[in-house]
Parts: sequence; C-alpha cells; structure tokens
Amino acid sequence: NAGVTQTPKFQVLKTGQSMTLQCAQDMNHNSMYWYRQDPGMGLRLIYYSASEGTTDKGEVPNGYNVSRLNKREFSLRLESAAPSQTSVYFCASIRGDSYNEQFFGPGTRLTVL
Amino acid sequence: AQKITQTQPGMFVQEKEAVTLDCTYDTSDQSYGLFWYKQPSSGEMIFLIYQGSYDEQNATEGRYSLNFQKARKSANLVISASQLGDSAMYFCAMREGGTGGFKTIFGAGTRLFVKA
Repeated sequence: NAGVTQTPKFQVLKTGQSMTLQCAQDMNHNSMYWYRQDPGMGLRLIYYSASEGTTDKGEVPNGYNVSRLNKREFSLRLESAAPSQTSVYFCASIRGDSYNEQFFGPGTRLTVL
Repeated sequence: AQKITQTQPGMFVQEKEAVTLDCTYDTSDQSYGLFWYKQPSSGEMIFLIYQGSYDEQNATEGRYSLNFQKARKSANLVISASQLGDSAMYFCAMREGGTGGFKTIFGAGTRLFVKA
C-alpha cells in the first residue's frame, strides 16, 4: 500500500498561472481532505469530500476548486495563482465510518512568484 | 462553529521530564473526536492519540496521554519522560460528527523544544 500520494512534490508558478494538485489513496477510504500549511502555522482546511461525488468548503476555500474524480482521487485546482497561495498543501483521507486517524500525504510545496 | 485553540506557540522541557500541551475546543456537536498529531522538521504528519467525546476514560498511547475535560472543553496532551526526538510541532485537531462529513480542523500548533 502506498497510502496517500501527492503530485507534484514541488512546484513554482508565476502569478496568474493555473495548476492542479493531484492526490490519490489506495486504502479504500471514503473521505478526503485538502489542507494548506503556511510557514510556522497550523493546517487550514480548504475543501473536503465526505464521499465520492460530494465536496464541501472548508475554512479557506477562496481561490480553489476541487474534484472528487472517483473514490481514490481528489484533486485541487488553482485557476489563477496568487502569491498568497504560496504554501505547503497536504492531502489526507479517512475511512469515514468512525473517528479513526487521518492519513496524510507527504505534501506539495508550492511557491507563487 | 468549530474552533480549536492552542495558546502556547512554544514550549521548553528538560529531557526525561513531563510536559503538557494545551488545547481547547469549541463545538455545538455532542459527537466529536479529538486528535493530536506530531510534525517533525521533516514535515510529515504523525498521528499520536485520539479521544472520543463519549469516552469516559482518558486516552493513553505509550508515553502520550490525553487529559480530556469535557465540561471545560479542553483536551491537553501530556508527554511523559520527554526525549530529544520529541522536539517537533504538535497539533490538536477536532472532527465533528458524521453528518458533517467528518470535517476536521486543526489548531495553530505548539512547537516543543526538548533540552538535553
């Protein structure tokens, strides 16, 4: 089992460019999450998906869109990147039927110039 | 609305001593879960311990225990016999009930420094 995988690991964008961060899990989990972590800060929830076909806004959804492509994959899109979106992005998943732990991906370090 | 507060940006502890990291939360749900994660300098998130809102006993996992005081809405992490490898960021998190899709939010974190 690879667990939660994220691509790319690093990315540099110019202001106004778009990109999609990919996340996949092979644990048959129902719920998936996207967080951002700014330097020295905690994780802030961007969007989450309780199950395939559903998505909900988290604490900081502005400037992002998500797609729950299937049960395995949950992507995060930046349509027009801004320097304020420079951050480390974590994807996570849980089984979704009890209060079990979240499994995190390794993170994507994004810099917007 | 969900809210998690960690009021200690940084903490120092002497090796082999115990340390308590504070966490308070706010929720209107009766059913929720509380978690602690460790993030070392390498950046990965490591699950430490979980406490359910209906659990009557405090959770323990090895050197980690969670001091759960429901009426005060606090869920402090206690690390006993601190080790140098415990130096890291520690995050408290809360997950509300299933009808909300297991929405999980995190506190701002506490950076722990263990001194030799």
